[in-house]
Amino acid sequence: KAGVTQTPRYLIKTRGQQVTLSCSPISGHRSVSWYQQTPGQGLQFLFEYFSETQRNKGNFPGRFSGRQFSNSRSEMNVSTLELGDSALYLCASSLELAGRTDTQYFGPGTRLTVL
Amino acid sequence: DQQVKQNSPSLSVQEGRISILNCDYTNSMFDYFLWYKKYPAEGPTFLISISSIKDKNEDGRFTVFLNKSAKHLSLHIVPSQPGDSAVYFCAASSDDYKLSFGAGTTVTVRA
Repeated sequence: KAGVTQTPRYLIKTRGQQVTLSCSPISGHRSVSWYQQTPGQGLQFLFEYFSETQRNKGNFPGRFSGRQFSNSRSEMNVSTLELGDSALYLCASSLELAGRTDTQYFGPGTRLTVL
Repeated sequence: DQQVKQNSPSLSVQEGRISILNCDYTNSMFDYFLWYKKYPAEGPTFLISISSIKDKNEDGRFTVFLNKSAKHLSLHIVPSQPGDSAVYFCAASSDDYKLSFGAGTTVTVRA
C-alpha cells in the first residue's frame, strides 16, 4: 500500500507570496492532519480534516488555511508569506481517529523556504 | 504554550546499553500518549503508544512508562542499536483529534 505523499518536496518563495501544498493520504484513510516543524519547536498542529470538514485547528493565524477533497486528498495554503513561515510542513493520515488509537502515518514533508 | 516538553535535546548512548527518553506534559486532559521516531528527510513514524488507563506498555525493545500523578512519561530502548539513532518525539492527545508534540530528543547510539 502506498504511503502518504506530499508535493512538492521543496519550495522557495519570497515574502508576500502565497503557496499551496498538497497531500495524498494512504488509500482508505479519511483523516488528514497538517503540522509545521521548526527547529526547537517540534511539530505544531495546524489543522485536521475528516470527510471534507475541518474538525480541529491549532493556534495559527488565518493566513494558514486548508481543505480536503472528496477523495480525501488535502491541500494547505499559506498566504502573504513571512520569513517565519520557513519550515518543514508535514501531513499525516489515519483511518478516522487522528491522535487516538488509529495510527497517524506521516509523509516526508514539504520544505518551504521563504526569502 | 508548549504543553508537551522534552527537556533533553540530545542523548548519546553506547550500543547495547539502555536509552531513556523523558517527556513531561502539563495538560491534565491528555489521556493518550505516543512516541514517534524521525530520520532525516523522512516523516515521523509511529513507535509505541500508551493509554492513561495503563502505566506501562511494551513492544519488543521499546517500553513506555506513564506516571500520571507526575505528568511524566518515558521511553526505554533496550538494547540500543545503531539504527535507533534518530530524533524521538513524544506526543499527547485528548479527544480533540490533534496531537501535541514535544520538541524532540536526538539520540545517537555509539558503536
